[in-house]
Amino acid sequence: AQTVTQSQPEMSVQEAETVTLSCTYDTSESNYYLFWYKQPPSRQMILVIRQEAYKQQNATENRFSVNFQKAAKSFSLKISDSQLGDTAMYFCAFMKLHSGNTPLVFGKGTRLSVIA
Amino acid sequence: KAGVTQTPRYLIKTRGQQVTLSCSPISGHRSVSWYQQTPGQGLQFLFEYFSETQRNKGNFPGRFSGRQFSNSRSEMNVSTLELGDSALYLCASSPSGADIQYFGAGTRLSVL
Repeated sequence: AQTVTQSQPEMSVQEAETVTLSCTYDTSESNYYLFWYKQPPSRQMILVIRQEAYKQQNATENRFSVNFQKAAKSFSLKISDSQLGDTAMYFCAFMKLHSGNTPLVFGKGTRLSVIA
Repeated sequence: KAGVTQTPRYLIKTRGQQVTLSCSPISGHRSVSWYQQTPGQGLQFLFEYFSETQRNKGNFPGRFSGRQFSNSRSEMNVSTLELGDSALYLCASSPSGADIQYFGAGTRLSVL
């Protein structure tokens, strides 16, 4: 079974600074997706970024980028130029690639506070 | 395109009662998954429906059930509610399942 570990329960960052959230995972699969989701106080789970395991290039979405180290099974999220609206719970998630559905396996989350 | 819609947003029930939660997926999405979120256990997968068939199931007791209709809308039912069923229930839809899942805002269930 796959497991996802987020070792930082809480983090804080000053507005406009850069912060990195850590995630490690354990799997014997070779084909999978990794995701970062954001859950603000409104509770809506919002996709931040996706990484396909077969791609060596790290995914980037505007101020959000990942450092994907497949051999080390590490998938960290870097947020640049942090904004107050980035305050939220951030969840790292794993999905095995399979014909048909495979469920998301989530880490416990990191609560990020952006301070003005 | 409208997002994933979950109703109701909040529910208060008492032990022993049953409850039904509803999820309308994004138009064109055929896969609907349900997750339970609690402070202690985090996010746990309940089940997934695709084309009206349950395709995958998590490790939850039989009191948790669901179904999907021909228009891809899904319902989740919990019978004989227990205090431990208090949680945020999230629904997610995707075109096929093996893809990005888009989440609704959830239903907050409180069992008293």
